[in-house]
Amino acid sequence: DVKVTQSSRYLVKRTGEKVFLECVQDMDHENMFWYRQDPGLGLRLIYFSYDVKMKEKGDIPEGYSVSREKKERFSLILESASTNQTSMYLCASSSTSISYEQYFGPGTRLTVT
Amino acid sequence: GENVEQHPSTLSVQEGDSAVIKCTYSDSASNYFPWYKQELGKRPQLIIDIRSNVGEKKDQRIAVTLNKTAKHFSLHITETQPEDSAVYFCAASISSQGQNFVFGPGTRLSVLP
Repeated sequence: DVKVTQSSRYLVKRTGEKVFLECVQDMDHENMFWYRQDPGLGLRLIYFSYDVKMKEKGDIPEGYSVSREKKERFSLILESASTNQTSMYLCASSSTSISYEQYFGPGTRLTVT
Repeated sequence: GENVEQHPSTLSVQEGDSAVIKCTYSDSASNYFPWYKQELGKRPQLIIDIRSNVGEKKDQRIAVTLNKTAKHFSLHITETQPEDSAVYFCAASISSQGQNFVFGPGTRLSVLP
């Protein structure tokens, strides 16, 4: 059973702080994704990674960066948090060799004040 | 790039009735169309998917149809039950990026007892 975990369920940060969101998957998936979920906008892709140390921009990468030093771990970094980054952040993973299904983590609700 | 529209944004049905959610996509090269269900407070989970070489797929009370010519696909839920109440997201693969998806904005389905 695939398990995707995220470091925090709820997070409150102040404007200007550096924020780290971490995602870990235990199924040796090569693909990992970070999405942002806002009401009425669905799931929007921030960044994705097809392999260790590899990253590609998604639809809304501005204000974010990522790191993938190990295959099982994909981190999302907000260099200087702003109030418009208040949102639900979802991590997902998938394996090209098995199927296209993306398995999601439980999400982190980030509030920036 | 790919654009996915989804209608309706909200849908209320009586228990036992059918529900239909429709999506359109813009990239004719898209070849994979998943549907995810997100219950309140939980992570999105894949419920059914269809590939472009198939016109229809069914799994118990859930079916998905695909019209490649018109670039639209639909989710059909028959004999709805209260546990079907959730937000449903359609998605279409991005042809140039393999397993990446563009998600629709979601449909909130309420099944009334």
